Amino acid sequence: AQTVTQSQPEMSVQEAETVTLSCTYDTSENNYYLFWYKQPPSRQMILVIRQEAYKQQNATENRFSVNFQKAAKSFSLKISDSQLGDTAMYFCAFMKPSGTYKYIFGTGTRLKVLA
Amino acid sequence: KAGVTQTPRYLIKTRGQQVTLSCSPISGHRSVSWYQQTPGQGLQFLFEYFSETQRNKGNFPGRFSGRQFSNSRSEMNVSTLELGDSALYLCASSWSGTGRDEQFFGPGTRLTVL
Repeated sequence: AQTVTQSQPEMSVQEAETVTLSCTYDTSENNYYLFWYKQPPSRQMILVIRQEAYKQQNATENRFSVNFQKAAKSFSLKISDSQLGDTAMYFCAFMKPSGTYKYIFGTGTRLKVLA
Repeated sequence: KAGVTQTPRYLIKTRGQQVTLSCSPISGHRSVSWYQQTPGQGLQFLFEYFSETQRNKGNFPGRFSGRQFSNSRSEMNVSTLELGDSALYLCASSWSGTGRDEQFFGPGTRLTVL
């Protein structure tokens, strides 16, 4: 069975600084996707970034980038130039295209950006 | 384009009752997934529907069921409610449900079981 672990329940960062959120996963699958989702206090979950397992190049979306280490089963999220609007819960998620437990979410990291 | 909508937003039920939650996906999206979010268990995948068929399911008891209509709208039903069913229920839609395209979440339905 797949598992996703986020070992940092809470983190804080000063505005404009850089922060890295950790995520490790376990799977025997070869074809899968990894995601980081953001859930602000208003509760609407938003996709931050997506990584396809067969792509070695790390995904980047503006200030957000990932460090995907497939062999180590690690998928960390780096937020550069942190902004107050980045304050939210961040969930790492694993997805395989079919079968039981299609999506597995980590327990989340609560990030607070300080002014 | 309108986002994913869920109704009702809040619901209070008592143990033993049943409840039906509704989700309207983004126009054109054929995949609808349901999730349960609780402080203790986090976010857990319930099931996914695609073109009116349940395509994937998580590890939940049979009290949790769903269906999808021809317009891709989906409903989730929970029968014989238990206190532990109190949660935020999220639905999400995507065009293919394969991970190749983005999944958009609704605001959720907050269910409280007394």
